[in-house]
Amino acid sequence: DIQMTQSPSSLSASVGDRVTITCRASQGISNYLAWYQQKPGKVPKLLIYAASTLQSGVPSRFSGSGSGTDFTLTISSLQPEDVATYYCQKYNSDPRPFGGGTKVEIK
Amino acid sequence: EVQLLESGGGLVQPGGSLRLSCAASGFTFSTYGMNWVRQAPGKGLEWVSVISDSGSITHYADSVKGRFTISRDNSKNTLYLQMNSLRAEDTAVYYCAKKRVAGGSPHPADDWGQGTLVTVSS
Repeated sequence: DIQMTQSPSSLSASVGDRVTITCRASQGISNYLAWYQQKPGKVPKLLIYAASTLQSGVPSRFSGSGSGTDFTLTISSLQPEDVATYYCQKYNSDPRPFGGGTKVEIK
Repeated sequence: EVQLLESGGGLVQPGGSLRLSCAASGFTFSTYGMNWVRQAPGKGLEWVSVISDSGSITHYADSVKGRFTISRDNSKNTLYLQMNSLRAEDTAVYYCAKKRVAGGSPHPADDWGQGTLVTVSS
């Protein structure tokens, strides 16, 4: 089965900073990669699917890129409301595991 | 508006069984694949199971294969997760989640319920 590995597991950045999170699949998954945001105590929210397509209503400061095995989620200018844990997930076939998550905090 | 309402969680002893339900509304339930995802206290998301729109195709995470069964009743707009031989490590909030697009093409989940807590303890 394909494994999903995220890095870093946590990060701290200042408001306005550019933040990048990496997700790596153990085998190629084309662009069948989604990113979720989970704020503390809240339900996960779909941010990006097909590696780079923004879900409706998601702020444009979020972007995704990559294909095959290596993917990135970028927040172009970190805002206080972006404090959350971010997860990647493959969905081209089953099982569809999540990455371990990246906790983003404000410095 | 899509609504997903899980129920059936609670405290169960190791080795016991529980059936979770997810009542769906606000969309044509019978045309969407559905997922169960869980989250242990303080831990990350773990995908558990998926079922096709018709219910004819199901898949499971290795951690629950042979113990959990996903099913659906399209006439009642309800998704189920039958959990048997429960272990302490199954303790988690269980979410049902709707596939983003109807039909068989691969898509992630976009709408999630609020979750139901399952606690496995003696």
